[in-house]
Amino acid sequence: QVQLVQSGSELKKPGASVKVSCKASGYTFTSYAMNWVRQAPGQGLEWMGWINTNTGNPTYAQGFTGRFVFSLDTSVSTAYLQISSLEAEDSAVYYCAREYYDSSDSRLDVWGQGTLVIVFS
Amino acid sequence: SSELTQGPAVSVALGQTVRITCQGDSLRSYYASWYQQKPGQAPVLVIYGKNNRPSGIPDRFSGSSSGNTASLTITGAQAEDEADYYCNSRDTSGNHLGVFGGGTKLTVL
Repeated sequence: QVQLVQSGSELKKPGASVKVSCKASGYTFTSYAMNWVRQAPGQGLEWMGWINTNTGNPTYAQGFTGRFVFSLDTSVSTAYLQISSLEAEDSAVYYCAREYYDSSDSRLDVWGQGTLVIVFS
Repeated sequence: SSELTQGPAVSVALGQTVRITCQGDSLRSYYASWYQQKPGQAPVLVIYGKNNRPSGIPDRFSGSSSGNTASLTITGAQAEDEADYYCNSRDTSGNHLGVFGGGTKLTVL
């Protein structure tokens, strides 16, 4: 079946880096874009950006430039989110989500289970 | 990308109808999609496009749009519909920037 499986929880110290993986299965990886969404504890969903799985071109939302990097390994149908120089405020659950879109419609129809990243000293 | 505004909370009696709204300029050009999130779970797509439901979503969920406002309606709300609901849309600038509404907590009484 179609699914996205994310890597496990991470506990990191401030200033460290983390790389979250999102492995797709059950569909052609390059036929859909991949989005990343953050949810801080007790907060709403925050759209971080997306990556074109055909070209590898990433687009970042305001507030997610510089320390956040989206990447792909299409040979293993996997998307990655790397966060560098971690801060306590980066503690959150990070979701990947498959996106289908056209000129007037977009939907995130398959979601990963989420990866909890905790940053503490 | 422009903002999407949702009311923070709404309640509905069991079996009654409730509407959750989402306002934003981008909705004049781009449909909203709607997501249900229960505590400790990943979001689930419930409505997309003009008024489309993914497979497995009950037909008591429907969507509509007028001007800068998109609505999610649950007709005959069930206890299991108690959750947070988020709208999402894209801008039409060419960069395909997205945004979520702040979320609406639905309580079924």
